Amino acid sequence: NAGVTQTPKFQVLKTGQSMTLQCAQDMNHEYMSWYRQDPGMGLRLIHYSVGAGITDQGEVPNGYNVSRSTTEDFPLRLLSAAPSQTSVYFCASRGLAGNTGELFFGEGSRLTVL
Amino acid sequence: AQSVSQHNHHVILSEAASLELGCNYSYGGTVNLFWYVQYPGQHLQLLLKYFSGDPLVKGIKGFEAEFIKSKFSFNLRKPSVQWSDTAEYFCAVEGYSSASKIIFGSGTRLSIRP
Repeated sequence: NAGVTQTPKFQVLKTGQSMTLQCAQDMNHEYMSWYRQDPGMGLRLIHYSVGAGITDQGEVPNGYNVSRSTTEDFPLRLLSAAPSQTSVYFCASRGLAGNTGELFFGEGSRLTVL
Repeated sequence: AQSVSQHNHHVILSEAASLELGCNYSYGGTVNLFWYVQYPGQHLQLLLKYFSGDPLVKGIKGFEAEFIKSKFSFNLRKPSVQWSDTAEYFCAVEGYSSASKIIFGSGTRLSIRP
């Protein structure tokens, strides 16, 4: 049982480049989300989705796009990377039945923008 | 929108000392509350959660937390810490009418001296 899988684990980009962080879950969870973790700032919610075809903005959505075409996948796109986007990114999912589901996290993707 | 405050950024304790980490949230309605832990080099995992009922909840590894609605608080406690509790601890809140999004605090780094 893979749980939440993120790729790549490490990435170095130059300013202005684009890339996509992939996230897949095999638990049939309705809810998926992306967070960034920065020292002293905890985890900040970027975007989230409560089902295929539905996405919404979190606390820090600027500079990021998402889509949810299937239940399993929730990619995060950086269209034009900036040094301020250097961070560790976590994908997380949860079931929504009964509104009691905990978040299950991927192992993280460390992104450096030069 | 909901928010979470963790006022202790770094706590240093000796083994066998008692622990209390503060967490206050802001939200004008019913909430679900969580504590997550991140051990060095690992992703976040759930310690405990409160949804309803008994405001004193027990989690894994001897941790417990008390929900005090009048104080908007959900402090984490452990009577006797061990060196293996060295980690970063995050409080999180989900507002009932917030479309299931979960917001995290800035985290508290706990260092245990052997």
